[in-house]
Amino acid sequence: DTGVSQNPRHKITKRGQNVTFRCDPISEHNRLYWYRQTLGQGPEFLTYFQNEAQLEKSRLLSDRFSAERPKGSFSTLEIQRTEQGDSAMYLCASSFFQGLINNRLKLNYGYTFGSGTRLTVV
Amino acid sequence: EDKVVQSPLSLVVHEGDTVTLNCSYEVTNFRSLLWYKQEKKAPTFLFMLTSSGIEKKSGRLSSILDKKELFSILNITATQTGDSAIYLCAVEAITAGNKLTFGGGTRVLVKP
Repeated sequence: DTGVSQNPRHKITKRGQNVTFRCDPISEHNRLYWYRQTLGQGPEFLTYFQNEAQLEKSRLLSDRFSAERPKGSFSTLEIQRTEQGDSAMYLCASSFFQGLINNRLKLNYGYTFGSGTRLTVV
Repeated sequence: EDKVVQSPLSLVVHEGDTVTLNCSYEVTNFRSLLWYKQEKKAPTFLFMLTSSGIEKKSGRLSSILDKKELFSILNITATQTGDSAIYLCAVEAITAGNKLTFGGGTRVLVKP
Protein backbone atom coordinates (compact mmCIF):
# COMPACT_ATOMS: atom_id res chain seq x y z
CA ASP A 1 0.00 0.00 0.00
CA THR A 2 1.49 3.33 -1.03
CA GLY A 3 -0.44 5.54 1.36
CA VAL A 4 -3.16 8.09 0.66
CA SER A 5 -3.26 9.14 -2.98
CA GLN A 6 -4.83 12.32 -4.32
CA ASN A 7 -5.48 13.40 -7.89
CA PRO A 8 -4.86 15.72 -9.54
CA ARG A 9 -1.88 17.27 -7.79
CA HIS A 10 -2.61 20.70 -9.23
CA LYS A 11 -5.71 22.19 -10.84
CA ILE A 12 -6.10 25.61 -12.38
CA THR A 13 -9.63 26.56 -13.30
CA LYS A 14 -11.57 29.61 -14.34
CA ARG A 15 -14.03 31.16 -11.94
CA GLY A 16 -17.46 29.62 -12.36
CA GLN A 17 -16.23 26.21 -13.54
CA ASN A 18 -16.83 22.97 -11.64
CA VAL A 19 -13.91 20.88 -10.39
CA THR A 20 -13.69 17.39 -8.91
CA PHE A 21 -10.86 15.92 -6.85
CA ARG A 22 -10.27 12.30 -6.00
CA CYS A 23 -8.81 10.65 -2.93
CA ASP A 24 -7.79 7.00 -2.60
CA PRO A 25 -7.26 6.17 1.07
CA ILE A 26 -5.14 3.42 2.60
CA SER A 27 -7.09 0.29 1.76
CA GLU A 28 -7.86 -0.98 5.26
CA HIS A 29 -8.84 2.46 6.59
CA ASN A 30 -12.55 2.94 7.15
CA ARG A 31 -12.49 6.68 7.81
CA LEU A 32 -11.75 9.34 5.24
CA TYR A 33 -11.43 13.08 5.92
CA TRP A 34 -11.26 16.17 3.74
CA TYR A 35 -9.43 19.30 4.90
CA ARG A 36 -8.72 22.63 3.25
CA GLN A 37 -5.53 24.61 3.81
CA THR A 38 -5.03 28.20 2.69
CA LEU A 39 -1.68 29.94 2.58
CA GLY A 40 -0.22 30.57 6.00
CA GLN A 41 -2.92 28.65 7.83
CA GLY A 42 -3.27 25.20 9.28
CA PRO A 43 -5.65 22.72 7.63
CA GLU A 44 -9.35 23.17 8.39
CA PHE A 45 -11.76 20.26 8.64
CA LEU A 46 -14.39 20.02 5.90
CA THR A 47 -16.07 16.64 6.17
CA TYR A 48 -15.52 12.99 6.96
CA PHE A 49 -16.86 9.56 6.05
CA GLN A 50 -17.01 6.32 7.92
CA ASN A 51 -17.16 3.72 5.18
CA GLU A 52 -19.66 5.17 2.69
CA ALA A 53 -21.59 7.29 5.20
CA GLN A 54 -20.85 11.01 5.41
CA LEU A 55 -21.11 11.61 9.14
CA GLU A 56 -20.16 15.24 9.59
CA LYS A 57 -19.85 18.39 7.51
CA SER A 58 -18.22 21.62 8.62
CA ARG A 59 -19.94 24.98 8.29
CA LEU A 60 -17.10 25.77 5.87
CA LEU A 61 -18.67 23.35 3.39
CA SER A 62 -21.05 25.58 1.47
CA ASP A 63 -23.80 24.30 -0.81
CA ARG A 64 -21.36 24.48 -3.71
CA PHE A 65 -19.28 21.70 -2.17
CA SER A 66 -20.26 18.06 -2.23
CA ALA A 67 -18.34 14.96 -1.25
CA GLU A 68 -19.06 11.32 -1.86
CA ARG A 69 -17.58 7.99 -0.99
CA PRO A 70 -19.86 5.69 -2.94
CA LYS A 71 -18.44 2.28 -2.09
CA GLY A 72 -16.59 3.13 1.05
CA SER A 73 -13.27 3.18 -0.78
CA PHE A 74 -12.21 6.25 -2.80
CA SER A 75 -13.84 9.63 -2.31
CA THR A 76 -14.53 12.61 -4.54
CA LEU A 77 -14.87 16.26 -3.59
CA GLU A 78 -16.68 18.46 -6.09
CA ILE A 79 -16.80 22.24 -6.05
CA GLN A 80 -19.43 23.82 -8.27
CA ARG A 81 -19.25 27.37 -9.64
CA THR A 82 -15.76 27.91 -8.26
CA GLU A 83 -14.84 31.26 -6.74
CA GLN A 84 -11.41 32.79 -6.21
CA GLY A 85 -11.82 32.22 -2.48
CA ASP A 86 -11.86 28.48 -3.14
CA SER A 87 -8.17 28.61 -4.06
CA ALA A 88 -6.43 26.41 -1.52
CA MET A 89 -4.77 23.07 -0.93
CA TYR A 90 -7.36 20.33 -0.46
CA LEU A 91 -6.01 17.56 1.75
CA CYS A 92 -7.43 14.11 2.21
CA ALA A 93 -6.60 11.89 5.17
CA SER A 94 -7.62 8.40 6.17
CA SER A 95 -7.60 6.45 9.40
CA PHE A 96 -8.82 3.25 10.90
CA PHE A 97 -11.45 3.62 13.56
CA GLN A 98 -12.12 0.64 15.78
CA GLY A 99 -13.41 -2.52 14.22
CA LEU A 100 -12.32 -5.92 13.03
CA ILE A 101 -9.36 -6.59 10.80
CA ASN A 102 -8.83 -10.29 10.06
CA ASN A 103 -11.30 -11.07 12.86
CA ARG A 104 -9.22 -9.23 15.41
CA LEU A 105 -10.42 -6.11 17.16
CA LYS A 106 -8.30 -3.08 16.29
CA LEU A 107 -8.62 0.32 17.89
CA ASN A 108 -7.93 3.69 16.30
CA TYR A 109 -4.69 4.14 14.44
CA GLY A 110 -2.98 5.67 11.46
CA TYR A 111 -4.20 9.16 10.65
CA THR A 112 -2.36 9.65 7.34
CA PHE A 113 -2.54 12.58 4.93
CA GLY A 114 -2.28 12.55 1.17
CA SER A 115 -0.13 15.03 -0.74
CA GLY A 116 -3.08 17.24 -1.50
CA THR A 117 -4.60 18.87 -4.56
CA ARG A 118 -3.68 22.51 -5.02
CA LEU A 119 -6.56 24.43 -6.59
CA THR A 120 -6.06 27.83 -8.19
CA VAL A 121 -9.15 29.67 -9.37
CA VAL A 122 -8.38 32.47 -11.84
CA GLU B 1 -15.45 25.66 19.54
CA ASP B 2 -12.11 23.87 19.67
CA LYS B 3 -9.10 26.14 19.33
CA VAL B 4 -5.34 25.68 18.88
CA VAL B 5 -2.82 28.52 19.04
CA GLN B 6 0.81 28.11 18.10
CA SER B 7 3.71 30.39 18.84
CA PRO B 8 5.89 31.85 17.60
CA LEU B 9 4.48 32.39 14.12
CA SER B 10 7.92 32.01 12.63
CA LEU B 11 11.55 31.91 13.61
CA VAL B 12 14.94 31.89 11.99
CA VAL B 13 17.83 30.02 13.58
CA HIS B 14 21.27 28.81 12.58
CA GLU B 15 22.33 25.21 12.24
CA GLY B 16 23.10 23.70 15.62
CA ASP B 17 20.66 25.90 17.52
CA THR B 18 17.82 24.50 19.63
CA VAL B 19 14.26 25.58 18.98
CA THR B 20 11.18 25.30 21.16
CA LEU B 21 7.75 25.52 19.61
CA ASN B 22 4.63 26.13 21.66
CA CYS B 23 1.07 24.94 21.26
CA SER B 24 -1.84 25.84 23.52
CA TYR B 25 -5.31 24.46 23.05
CA GLU B 26 -8.91 24.47 24.14
CA VAL B 27 -10.92 21.41 23.24
CA THR B 28 -13.90 19.57 24.63
CA ASN B 29 -13.53 15.81 24.92
CA PHE B 30 -9.77 15.83 24.39
CA ARG B 31 -8.31 12.61 23.04
CA SER B 32 -4.82 13.46 21.82
CA LEU B 33 -2.49 16.18 20.60
CA LEU B 34 -0.49 15.64 17.44
CA TRP B 35 2.53 17.32 15.91
CA TYR B 36 3.12 17.33 12.16
CA LYS B 37 5.92 18.62 9.95
CA GLN B 38 4.87 20.16 6.66
CA GLU B 39 7.30 20.98 3.91
CA LYS B 40 5.80 21.51 0.49
CA LYS B 41 3.20 18.79 0.55
CA ALA B 42 1.13 16.91 3.08
CA PRO B 43 1.72 17.11 6.80
CA THR B 44 3.87 14.23 7.97
CA PHE B 45 3.27 12.77 11.41
CA LEU B 46 5.78 13.42 14.18
CA PHE B 47 4.18 12.65 17.55
CA MET B 48 0.91 11.79 19.19
CA LEU B 49 0.58 12.73 22.86
CA THR B 50 -2.21 11.56 25.12
CA SER B 51 -0.76 11.64 28.63
CA SER B 52 0.68 14.53 30.60
CA GLY B 53 4.34 14.65 31.51
CA ILE B 54 5.56 11.81 29.33
CA GLU B 55 8.19 12.98 26.88
CA LYS B 56 8.17 11.45 23.44
CA LYS B 57 11.45 11.44 21.53
CA SER B 58 12.47 10.74 17.99
CA GLY B 59 16.08 11.54 17.22
CA ARG B 60 16.63 15.25 17.75
CA LEU B 61 12.92 15.94 18.21
CA SER B 62 11.02 15.63 21.44
CA SER B 63 7.63 16.69 22.69
CA ILE B 64 5.69 16.81 25.92
CA LEU B 65 2.10 17.52 26.89
CA ASP B 66 0.64 19.31 29.92
CA LYS B 67 -3.07 18.51 30.12
CA LYS B 68 -3.59 20.67 33.19
CA GLU B 69 -2.22 23.83 31.60
CA LEU B 70 -3.46 22.79 28.13
CA PHE B 71 -0.24 23.14 26.19
CA SER B 72 2.48 21.19 24.49
CA ILE B 73 6.00 21.97 23.36
CA LEU B 74 8.06 20.57 20.53
CA ASN B 75 11.83 20.78 20.86
CA ILE B 76 14.33 20.38 18.08
CA THR B 77 17.96 20.17 19.14
CA ALA B 78 21.06 20.58 16.96
CA THR B 79 18.92 21.92 14.13
CA GLN B 80 19.81 21.18 10.52
CA THR B 81 18.72 22.90 7.32
CA GLY B 82 16.44 19.92 6.64
CA ASP B 83 14.42 20.89 9.69
CA SER B 84 13.19 23.98 7.84
CA ALA B 85 9.43 23.51 7.56
CA ILE B 86 6.10 24.49 9.01
CA TYR B 87 5.35 22.65 12.23
CA LEU B 88 1.68 22.07 12.87
CA CYS B 89 0.01 21.22 16.14
CA ALA B 90 -3.45 19.63 16.15
CA VAL B 91 -5.85 18.32 18.75
CA GLU B 92 -8.11 15.35 18.31
CA ALA B 93 -11.47 15.17 20.01
CA ILE B 94 -13.21 12.01 21.15
CA THR B 95 -16.45 13.32 19.66
CA ALA B 96 -17.70 11.55 16.58
CA GLY B 97 -15.20 11.70 13.81
CA ASN B 98 -11.98 12.24 15.69
CA LYS B 99 -11.43 15.19 13.42
CA LEU B 100 -8.34 17.31 13.94
CA THR B 101 -8.34 20.99 14.82
CA PHE B 102 -5.07 22.56 13.71
CA GLY B 103 -3.18 25.61 14.83
CA GLY B 104 -1.82 28.05 12.29
CA GLY B 105 1.63 26.53 12.40
CA THR B 106 5.12 27.79 13.19
CA ARG B 107 7.41 28.38 10.23
CA VAL B 108 10.99 27.42 11.07
CA LEU B 109 13.89 28.44 8.86
CA VAL B 110 17.28 26.96 9.68
CA LYS B 111 20.17 28.81 8.04
CA PRO B 112 23.52 27.13 7.38
